[in-house]
Amino acid sequence: NAGVTQTPKFQVLKTGQSMTLQCAQDMNHNSMYWYRQDPGMGLRLIYYSASEGTTDKGEVPNGYNVSRLNKREFSLRLESAAPSQTSVYFCASSEVRGNTEAFFGQGTRLTVV
Amino acid sequence: QQQVKQSPQSLIVQKGGISIINCAYENTAFDYFPWYQQFPGKGPALLIAIRPDVSEKKEGRFTISFNKSAKQFSLHIMDSQPGDSATYFCAASIYSSGQLTFGSGTQLTVLP
Repeated sequence: NAGVTQTPKFQVLKTGQSMTLQCAQDMNHNSMYWYRQDPGMGLRLIYYSASEGTTDKGEVPNGYNVSRLNKREFSLRLESAAPSQTSVYFCASSEVRGNTEAFFGQGTRLTVV
Repeated sequence: QQQVKQSPQSLIVQKGGISIINCAYENTAFDYFPWYQQFPGKGPALLIAIRPDVSEKKEGRFTISFNKSAKQFSLHIMDSQPGDSATYFCAASIYSSGQLTFGSGTQLTVLP
């Protein structure tokens, strides 16, 4: 039972490069989320998708774009990476917005040099 | 601004002791308060959660205490074990928004 799968697990980018983080869930969840985790700051919501075909900004959306490709997949794109985007990125999914368990992937550790 | 404040940042407890982590929130619209546990190299996983209509919820050695008037909630880990060593995050959400707001995390170390 895979749950939430993120790729890649590690990535090093040069400033200005672009990349897409991939996320897929096999639990038939409606809602999906992208968070970033930085030391001493917990997890902060970048974007979320309450259902297939919808996306909304979270707390820290600047510099990112997302695509809800279908019910299973939710990707996060960095168009022009900056050192401030060095972080660990987590994708999560849940069945119903807010009040049910959010399942997290294992994370993508991104370093921008 | 940080809507959920968590303390302490780190905690060291002897095996068998009680670990206590505290959180305070500002937004009175929050109506769901989960705690997540994260081991190194892994994503967070739900540990226990509470709704504001109850003041306490217990699951095994883990208990959430909730004080609605003070806008505070805490996690108590009884009989702490070395396997409990992890980072713990409190969180809060508003059902209609679908967004979890996390505290800054507490790194718990349980000494054998």
